Amino acid sequence: AQSVTQLDSQVPVFEEAPVELRCNYSSSVSVYLFWYVQYPNQGLQLLLKYLSGSTLVKGINGFEAEFNKSQTSFHLRKPSVHISDTAEYFCAVGKGSGNTGKLIFGQGTTLQVKP
Amino acid sequence: DAGVTQSPTHLIKTRGQQVTLRCSPISGHKSVSWYQQVLGQGPQFIFQYYEKEERGRGNFPDRFSARQFPNYSSELNVNALLLGDSALYLCASSSKEGTISGNTIYFGEGSWLTVV
Repeated sequence: AQSVTQLDSQVPVFEEAPVELRCNYSSSVSVYLFWYVQYPNQGLQLLLKYLSGSTLVKGINGFEAEFNKSQTSFHLRKPSVHISDTAEYFCAVGKGSGNTGKLIFGQGTTLQVKP
Repeated sequence: DAGVTQSPTHLIKTRGQQVTLRCSPISGHKSVSWYQQVLGQGPQFIFQYYEKEERGRGNFPDRFSARQFPNYSSELNVNALLLGDSALYLCASSSKEGTISGNTIYFGEGSWLTVV
C-alpha cells in the first residue's frame, strides 16, 4: 500500500526567506509524485510533478522539488517566498503503473508567510 | 477553456437526507474522480470513472455512489447523510485513465457540504 507523510503541519516563515516543505512516501511499486497548492476556499492547483528523468523538478510560482529515491522523499522548496504563497500544500503519490488515476495525499502543510 | 466545474458550491443538509453533487470535466477529458476533503486533512479518494465505467473505489461505505454520463460529466450521490460527511467534495478530471506519464489531474473548486 502507498502512503504519504508530510512532516510539518505548519511552517511559519518570513517574507523573502527560503522555505522547504517536507514529504516522505512509502510504496512497494514505482510511483509518480505531485505537489498541489490549495488557497483558502479554493480547489487544488498543481504546482509540479515528478514522473521520470531528472530528479530536480521545477514548477510554477518559483517552486521546485527534488525526488530522492533512496530516502523516499520529495521535498518542496522555494528560495524566496512571498506573502501570496500563504496556502495549504499537499504532497501526493500516484501509482506508476496500471490504469488507476487514484492519488494518495498527505495531511497537508500550512505555509504561513509573515511580513 | 473552462476548467473543472462543480455544483453546487455550498449546501446544507440534515442528517438522514440525500445529496447529489455534480461535476463537468474539462472538455475532452474522459476520466473523472471524486475526493472527500475533511477540514484539516488531505483529500481522500472516493471514486474514479473512465469512459463511463467505474475504475476505482476508495474505502467509503455503500451510501456513496457515483456515475458518469455519455458527455463525461459525473454525479456523486450520498445517501443517509451523517454529520461526519461534512466536507469539501472535490472533482478531478484528466484526459487519460491513470497517472501515467504526461497525464495531469485537474481539480475543481469543490462543493462544500455541511450536514446538520
